[in-house]
Amino acid sequence: DQQVKQNSPSLSVQEGRISILNCDYTNSMFDYFLWYKKYPAEGPTFLISISSIKDKNEDGRFTVFLNKSAKHLSLHIVPSQPGDSAVYFCAASSASGTYKYIFGTGTRLKVLA
Amino acid sequence: ETGVTQSPTHLIKTRGQQVTLRCSSQSGHNTVSWYQQALGQGPQFIFQYYREEENGRGNFPPRFSGLQFPNYSSELNVNALELDDSALYLCASSTGRPTEAFFGQGTRLTVV
Repeated sequence: DQQVKQNSPSLSVQEGRISILNCDYTNSMFDYFLWYKKYPAEGPTFLISISSIKDKNEDGRFTVFLNKSAKHLSLHIVPSQPGDSAVYFCAASSASGTYKYIFGTGTRLKVLA
Repeated sequence: ETGVTQSPTHLIKTRGQQVTLRCSSQSGHNTVSWYQQALGQGPQFIFQYYREEENGRGNFPPRFSGLQFPNYSSELNVNALELDDSALYLCASSTGRPTEAFFGQGTRLTVV
């Protein structure tokens, strides 16, 4: 039962353009969402998060949008840079009980110079 | 620099053996979670420790066990290793609230 889904295993974008990574979830109890970036041979690095009481959060080139009615979130990267090439994981958590993360399977982003 | 360090970085074990992986959490963090990431998959929650007590467990058998020490560092122990245990094991430290967790670089375990 995959509660967090990233349906696009890969994405290629030209340098300077917008990258949009998508994530869907099924559990309405999730109230905190995060995006992590992972390079090969490294652990995931936190990028940006959003609470379910918000619908948008920005941090520099990164913006996360949350659509609770559609149970969908997206990460926008503008402008995309070659150094952004990595695997991006969406994760969800519930404030009740253990604050464990449920991860999606990841999207590999390749930014072409 | 997240401050979360894991050891060893790579390990090869034989089926049936036992293994211990270690994690040093970030300063000020009292919660450590362990995740297993198989090839091509997202990390899967194994268990979490909060102030030396297990505080939740994922869908992993009892041969996966852990400890958290007074300095909040942690160990993951796996007994009777199986080939399917080959994966990247990630440790994450946090404050125990639903804020971001910081991950170590992981331990790549290969069972042969």
